[in-house]
Amino acid sequence: DAGVIQSPRHEVTEMGQEVTLRCKPISGHDYLFWYRQTMMRGLELLIYFNNNVPIDDSGMPEDRFSAKMPNASFSTLKIQPSEPRDSAVYFCASTAERYGYTFGSGTRLTVV
Amino acid sequence: AQKITQTQPGMFVQEKEAVTLDCTYDTSDQSYGLFWYKQPSSGEMIFLIYQGSYDEQNATEGRYSLNFQKARKSANLVISASQLGDSAMYFCAMREWTSNTGKLIFGQGTTLQVKP
Repeated sequence: DAGVIQSPRHEVTEMGQEVTLRCKPISGHDYLFWYRQTMMRGLELLIYFNNNVPIDDSGMPEDRFSAKMPNASFSTLKIQPSEPRDSAVYFCASTAERYGYTFGSGTRLTVV
Repeated sequence: AQKITQTQPGMFVQEKEAVTLDCTYDTSDQSYGLFWYKQPSSGEMIFLIYQGSYDEQNATEGRYSLNFQKARKSANLVISASQLGDSAMYFCAMREWTSNTGKLIFGQGTTLQVKP
């Protein structure tokens, strides 16, 4: 298995632009999570899905952030419009087991 | 609400010595799981060890062991015989099972530096 695949690995964009982060979970995993990591706030859970359905989006910072999971093998996290304070590493993770959450390699987002 | 606290922002240990990274948690759930992850400078999150709240024995995985003290709500990670490659950020995390939310909540992390 290739693990959780995130793209792109790095993204540099200008303030005001739309940014889309992508995630392919491990096949058979029914939970998918989006986390954001910053020095100031650590690892924050933004939103998670169970069987493609959003369960808890209380961590999504603002309406500028949205996430979708159109099928079991794909999810997106979109920021529109982006701001410099959105600069962070965004992780996607998936799990189907009692333990063993698997993380992707992360997307390092820089908004200038 | 579930909460994870790691009170050591940074730790140093001499190579080949053992080190304990602290983690305390708070939950009203009777069934929960505790996890430790390692994040090296390359940035990936690596799963290390898991402890279930009903597990009677402390979890061990190679050089990693979890010192689980349920009454004190602590789940400290012990790394034996530290190696230079152990230098990384370490995160403690918790999932509540009874509520079955699936959420994995992380502490702030501890940076470990292993000295040669």
